[in-house]
This record gives sequence, structure tokens and C-alpha cells, in this order.
Amino acid sequence: SQTIHQWPATLVQPVGSPLSLECTVEGTSNPNLYWYRQAAGRGLQLLFYSVGIGQISSEVPQNLSASRPQDRQFILSSKKLLLSDSGFYLCAWSVQGAGEKLFFGSGTQLSVL
Amino acid sequence: SQQGEEDPQALSIQEGENATMNCSYKTSINNLQWYRQNSGRGLVHLILIRSNEREKHSGRLRVTLDTSKKSSSLLITASRAADTASYFCATVPLSNDYKLSFGAGTTVTVRA
Repeated sequence: SQTIHQWPATLVQPVGSPLSLECTVEGTSNPNLYWYRQAAGRGLQLLFYSVGIGQISSEVPQNLSASRPQDRQFILSSKKLLLSDSGFYLCAWSVQGAGEKLFFGSGTQLSVL
Repeated sequence: SQQGEEDPQALSIQEGENATMNCSYKTSINNLQWYRQNSGRGLVHLILIRSNEREKHSGRLRVTLDTSKKSSSLLITASRAADTASYFCATVPLSNDYKLSFGAGTTVTVRA
């Protein structure tokens, strides 16, 4: 069966510090991978998605970046965090193809202080 | 950007009652999906309805889709305390069917 791992569960970082969130999927090949951010009590904002290794589509221009160094690994990074980067970050995957349902990780609560 | 908008924002019902929430969207879609999120957790997929479908059932869930009105509804019948969660609709646009855009969600509280 397929599983998605996302870590860490919580993170407190000072403004200006770097960020690296990692997400890995097991039990499937060539998944579509997604990063979403959720502000408190709000909906999900799509940040990045990837349909293959090295293929990253960015939805929101900001100081975040994403990389997919391996087929089932998706990394969200920042060189310098801003206060506005605080939020609940969710990684998700779907089977290869368009319009498929998403399977979400358990999320990372990021607080930038 | 959020394409779907759920209504109401919050809903409080008694156990055993039905819960209905609505989702409106703006552009033509490939399909529409509903998800549930328990507090502080990831989202769980509930049901997917395609643009050529009008109604779909899954257990105690019933979803309708009206593409002419660009709206969908989710009905939870015979609600239970375990149904307490936030519910989100997500749309897959025809223009880019790799992107799922989520609404702000409806928070449902089921009172015992």
C-alpha cells in the first residue's frame, strides 16, 4: 500500500532563517506531488506541483522554492523565512495523470517568529 | 487562488441530523472533489464527481453537481460525532487539470 511521510510535524524558526521540509511517498511510482499551505482557519493555497523529476510548477511567486531530486521525494525550501511564511504546510500525491484525487501527508505546522 | 467557495462557513447540528454544505466555483471543471480535515491533520479524500455526472453516493455521503449553476452540494446523512471536521471542495479546472484549487471550507460540529 502507498504511504506518504512528511516531516517535521512542528517547526519554530526565526525570521531570516532557512527552511527545508521534506516529503516522501512509498509504494507507488511516478506520482504527481504537491505542496499546499493552509493559514489558520482557511482553505489551502497551492504552492507547487510536480509531474516528474525536476519538473516543478510554481503557483505563487514568493521566497519559497521546491525541488524533486528523486521520483518520490519533494522538498520545500526557503533561504530566508518571513513572518508571513507561517502556516500549516501539506504535502500530497496523486497517481500519474490529470484530475486525480490527492492523498495528503499529516502536515507541518511552521511558526516563524 | 481559491476557486471554490463553501457555504455555510460553519454548521452545528445534533447527532442523527443531516448536514448539507454547498460549494460554488467560477470556471469550467474536469471534476470536483470533497475532502474532510480533522483539526490539525491532513485532508482525507471523500468523493470525486466528474463534470458529466449529476449525483454520486458513498455510504452516508451524497454529492450533487450542477455545472450550469457551477455549484455542488455535499449531504451527510444521519450525522455522528465523528463527522465533526472541516469539509472542503476542490475543483480541477479544464484549463489545467493537474491543479486542484480548494475553497475555504465548512466547519461542521456534531453535538452528541
